[in-house]
Formats: sequence, structure tokens, C-alpha cells
Amino acid sequence: KQEVTQIPAALSVPEGENLVLNCSFTDSAIYNLQWFRQDPGKGLTSLLLIQSSQREQTSGRLNASLDKSSGRSTLYIAASQPGDSATYLCAVRSFSGAGSYQLTFGKGTKLSVIP
Amino acid sequence: ETGVTQTPRHLVMGMTNKKSLKCEQHLGHNAMYWYKQSAKKPLELMFVYNFKEQTENNSVPSRFSPECPNSSHLFLHLHTLQPEDSALYLCASSQEITSPLHFGNGTRLTVT
Repeated sequence: KQEVTQIPAALSVPEGENLVLNCSFTDSAIYNLQWFRQDPGKGLTSLLLIQSSQREQTSGRLNASLDKSSGRSTLYIAASQPGDSATYLCAVRSFSGAGSYQLTFGKGTKLSVIP
Repeated sequence: ETGVTQTPRHLVMGMTNKKSLKCEQHLGHNAMYWYKQSAKKPLELMFVYNFKEQTENNSVPSRFSPECPNSSHLFLHLHTLQPEDSALYLCASSQEITSPLHFGNGTRLTVT
């Protein structure tokens, strides 16, 4: 059974700092990995999706990397801004049998960017 | 706007009530999902529908009953819930079963 862990659970940084969020998963036989952002009381917004054959994806100040063999992904945020404050969730899609692809979420990292 | 609309945004219900949550997607997607998000726990998949057919039921108690009349609409019918069912219920859709998910803003459910 796939398990996804995100460390740290919470992170506080001053504005302008570069930061890295970590995601690890137990079963390396994944289909893809998706990073989401969740603002308080809201749904999830997709940030980046990395297919299992890819090593990284970039969107603006965000860069996500994937190392399938070690079961790790990182989300790099450059020049952080107060508007980046949110909870960041990692989700791994794995084949779970009978044509089904289960999406397993981590508990998230709550990021606070201090002005 | 996310393209996935959930109503109501907030719902308070007693343990003997019957209510329904509604989800509508305007993205032309073929798969729809219900997730439960409780404090300090990862998102839990409840149900998956692909082309209107239920493909996954993640051992959800029968007091939660999903309905998918067409590819654009998904309902979650609730009856005789327990206080521990209080949570944020999120609907999502995707083009295919392996495509990126798009989430609605959720329904905050409180069971008293």
C-alpha cells in the first residue's frame, strides 16, 4: 500500500527566501506525482504534475523534481512571497489493480511567508 | 473559478437528518471523485466515477450514498451521520482516470 510523507509539517520563512518542500513515497512504481496548494477553507489548486518518466517540471517560481528510484519529490519555491502562504500537498498516483489508479495524498506542509 | 462547483459551501445537520451535497463540473471531464478531508489526516478517497460508472468505493459506510446521473454531475446523499463525519468534503474531476485532478472548494459539513 502506497504511503506518502511530507516533511516538515509546517515551515515559516521570511519573504524573499528560497525554500524546498519534501515529499517521500514508499512504492516507487508510480504513474505520476502531483503538487497542490490549498488555501484555508478552500479546495486544492493543482500546481505541477510530473509523469513517472520525467525528472522535473517548472512553472514560474516553482520547480518540482522527481527521483522515482529513491521515492522522493521536492517542490522548490524561489523568492518566496506572503501570497505563497498556504498548505502544499503532494499526491502520488499508483496502479492499484483492476485498471484502477489510486491517488494517495500526504498530510501537507503548511507554509507561512513572513513579510 | 476552478471549473468545479460544489454546493452548499457549509452545511450543519443533525444525526437524524437527510441531506445531499452537489458537485458540477464544467470542464468536459469523464471522471469525478469524492474526497473527505479531516483535520490532521491526509485526504481520503471515498468514491470514483468514470464515465458515470462507479469504479471505486473505498470502504465507505453506507450512510454515504453517491449518485452520478451524468458525467457533469455528482451527488453525495447523507443520512444518519455521526459527529465524526464532520469534515470538508471535496469533489474533483479529471479528463481521464490518470489525468490531473481539478478540485472544487468543498462543502464544510458539521454533524451535531
